[in-house]
Amino acid sequence: EPEVTQTPSHQVTQMGQEVILRCVPISNHLYFYWYRQILGQKVEFLVSFYNNEISEKSEIFDDQFSVERPDGSNFTLKIRSTKLEDSAMYFCASRSDRGDGYTFGSGTRLTVV
Amino acid sequence: QKEVEQNSGPLSVPEGAIASLNCTYSDRGSQSFFWYRQYSGKSPELIMFIYSNGDKEDGRFTAQLNKASQYVSLLIRDSQPSDSATYLCARGRGSTLGRLYFGRGTQLTVWP
Repeated sequence: EPEVTQTPSHQVTQMGQEVILRCVPISNHLYFYWYRQILGQKVEFLVSFYNNEISEKSEIFDDQFSVERPDGSNFTLKIRSTKLEDSAMYFCASRSDRGDGYTFGSGTRLTVV
Repeated sequence: QKEVEQNSGPLSVPEGAIASLNCTYSDRGSQSFFWYRQYSGKSPELIMFIYSNGDKEDGRFTAQLNKASQYVSLLIRDSQPSDSATYLCARGRGSTLGRLYFGRGTQLTVWP
């Protein structure tokens, strides 16, 4: 079964450092998303991406965040200057245009110290 | 208001019983509803989606949607210990291709 692949699975970084989280969506999917889940809390939307541009972003997705699809397969989330409160599981997701739900990647656990 | 509310549980049922998970939402513009299962430390896995009023069945799972009452539920028949997980309700607004709003989840334990 096709999978969304995320790397790394766990990243520890110092406050103020830049991190890049990487995702390889399912190959025939056209819509890409980043969500995050702080420990014990709900899954929160960050940003959606379609046709090489952001289609929607939440209030969480401020100027510290950016997304990129640098080639035909990768989809990245960059956090420029990490804060302690950025510690969370970050999930990449993708979907086809059939509207039958997302497929989530296995996640990257980001720990900011 | 974009909230999705779920009874937080924990819900505990014996093996073989029916587990009933409930979800309410406040945005009448919601068009699509999804149930995800999330094991501890893992990513959400899609179980079912439902767009139309009524019931939708898939194996041991039945999703029920009542848009007038702004209520969606998930029934799990013949519950198994492997069903023990947190169940996330999510809704989409308007286009089915947009962002999802998640509830906090209901923790289900199925004991042998």
